[in-house]
Amino acid sequence: GESVGLHLPTLSVQEGDNSIINCAYSNSASDYFIWYKQESGKGPQFIIDIRSNMDKRQGQRVTVLLNKTVKHLSLQIAATQPGDSAVYFCAERNGGSNYKLTFGKGTLLTVNP
Amino acid sequence: DAGITQSPRHKVTETGTPVTLRCHQTENHRYMYWYRQDPGHGLRLIHYSYGVKDTDKGEVSDGYSVSRSKTEDFLLTLESATSSQTSVYFCAIRRTGTAGGTDTQYFGPGTRLTVL
Repeated sequence: GESVGLHLPTLSVQEGDNSIINCAYSNSASDYFIWYKQESGKGPQFIIDIRSNMDKRQGQRVTVLLNKTVKHLSLQIAATQPGDSAVYFCAERNGGSNYKLTFGKGTLLTVNP
Repeated sequence: DAGITQSPRHKVTETGTPVTLRCHQTENHRYMYWYRQDPGHGLRLIHYSYGVKDTDKGEVSDGYSVSRSKTEDFLLTLESATSSQTSVYFCAIRRTGTAGGTDTQYFGPGTRLTVL
């Protein structure tokens, strides 16, 4: 089956730098995408989402970009802080009435002070 | 905080024993989901529910059963636990996200299950 994947399994950045986490998806019919943050020992936490009719959405210090032409999703974190250290993964909605998501494996972001 | 609690948070059991994990929500959401999370895999759907007594299988449902007798509780049962079911289990609910009213999933804190 089709699944969401990530380009980079680990990312290490300096505090204050901007971080970019990437995700490739293969299902051209997916209409909705979500980024989650998961800290060690905790459940995934919703960060930001985007619908397929949008190219960009901004939140507080985070921006999600969607490029449907190349089926690519990215999460940008501005002024990365130590508290941003976590695993980040994307998810795509497969459509259908019962709303199932397919999740990527995740990228570990480490922020160095 | 999506108003989701999971119990127990940690459990160690032996092969062949039955195990039931509970997910409880306080916001009256219709849809609830059970996932497992293992190294090298993304979250994988075990079962989900779209209402009281309405459930369906996910991609890794073998060896698991679920029940939903009331809106707030979704139970996951391992009838006879095996070592391959050692995992972290997450419950999720479906509610409105932020992108134009689209529904999304919010997760509980997880249950770490070890089957010896």
